[in-house]
Amino acid sequence: EDQVTQSPEALRLQEGESSSLNCSYTVSGLRGLFWYRQDPGKGPEFLFTLYSAGEEKEKERLKATLTKKESFLHITAPKPEDSATYLCAVQASGGSYIPTFGRGTSLIVHP
Amino acid sequence: DSGVTQTPKHLITATGQRVTLRCSPRSGDLSVYWYQQSLDQGLQFLIHYYNGEERAKGNILERFSAQQFPDLHSELNLSSLELGDSALYFCASSPQLGFNEQFFGPGTRLTVL
Repeated sequence: EDQVTQSPEALRLQEGESSSLNCSYTVSGLRGLFWYRQDPGKGPEFLFTLYSAGEEKEKERLKATLTKKESFLHITAPKPEDSATYLCAVQASGGSYIPTFGRGTSLIVHP
Repeated sequence: DSGVTQTPKHLITATGQRVTLRCSPRSGDLSVYWYQQSLDQGLQFLIHYYNGEERAKGNILERFSAQQFPDLHSELNLSSLELGDSALYFCASSPQLGFNEQFFGPGTRLTVL
């Protein structure tokens, strides 16, 4: 069974304090890994898709990286508006194409 | 704005009742996915439709059913509601069947009293 574990569950940062969120996964052949941002009471917003180990993608203050067992979402010099829950999901190359979501990391950035 | 719309935004009802949630996918997307999100369960996949046909089922209760219509909008029907059904219900759409990112709607918050 595919599994996705995100850590930490919650993270508090000061504005400008860079950090990383972790997504560890167990899947029988990775087809792709997705990162989403979710604001309270709203639907997840797609951020990135990563396909293979070594791949990196960037968007503003966010950079996502992928290894064979985990992905990191690096947040550089965060601002209060980066506060949200960040969800990771994996899709296996064989069997079900339905993505498995992690429980998310709740990020709060204080001004 | 993802381009996915969901109605209603909020729904308050009583135990034992039946409700219908509606979703319109992004223009051109053929796939619609339904998810349930509660505080203790995270985002749980319920069911997937592609171009009008059911293609995958997840942890969907027998009291729940869904369909996708010829115009590609989808409805999720929840019956014999219980207190534990209170949650956020999201639909998501994607262009094709299978592997690709999903675009989520704003959700329907269901409260069962």
